[in-house]
Amino acid sequence: KQEVTQIPAALSVPEGENLVLNCSFTDSAIYNLQWFRQDPGKGLTSLLLIQSSQREQTSGRLNASLDKSSGRSTLYIAASQPGDSATYLCAVTNTGNQFYFGTGTSLTVIP
Amino acid sequence: DAGITQSPRHKVTETGTPVTLRCHQTENHRYMYWYRQDPGHGLRLIHYSYGVKDTDKGEVSDGYSVSRSKTEDFLLTLESATSSQTSVYFCAISHDMETQYFGPGTRLLVL
Repeated sequence: KQEVTQIPAALSVPEGENLVLNCSFTDSAIYNLQWFRQDPGKGLTSLLLIQSSQREQTSGRLNASLDKSSGRSTLYIAASQPGDSATYLCAVTNTGNQFYFGTGTSLTVIP
Repeated sequence: DAGITQSPRHKVTETGTPVTLRCHQTENHRYMYWYRQDPGHGLRLIHYSYGVKDTDKGEVSDGYSVSRSKTEDFLLTLESATSSQTSVYFCAISHDMETQYFGPGTRLLVL
């Protein structure tokens, strides 16, 4: 069974700082990996999707990398802003319809 | 935002009663999913559907059943609710089994 871990569980940084969120998974036979953002009391919003054959994806200030062989992904946020405060979750899917989520990293960006 | 609605948004019920949650989409996506989100566990897949009348079990399907009689609707039923089913339930849709779009969630409290 696929296990997805996100460390740290919580992170607090001053505004303007660059930061990295980590995601690791136990089974490297993944189909793709996705990063989501969740605001309190809300659903999840997809940020980036990386196919298993890709190494990274970028969207604005966000960059996600994937190292399938080591079972790791990172989400890099450049020049953090208070509006980036949220919980960030990663999810992987193996070949099939099952998606496995990490428990998330709660990010607070302090003005 | 993808057109996904969930109803009800909040529900309080008593142990032993049946409960049905509804997910409705206007995107004509083929895949639909039900997750539950609990502290310390992240999101866990309950059931998913890959077409009308085509469903399969996820990681935590015990005590839940689903039905999909139309492309746009995916129903989750708790046959006899238990306190352990108190949770936040999210519906998600996907066109291609890759990027997932989530609904706003349903908060269920079983007393």
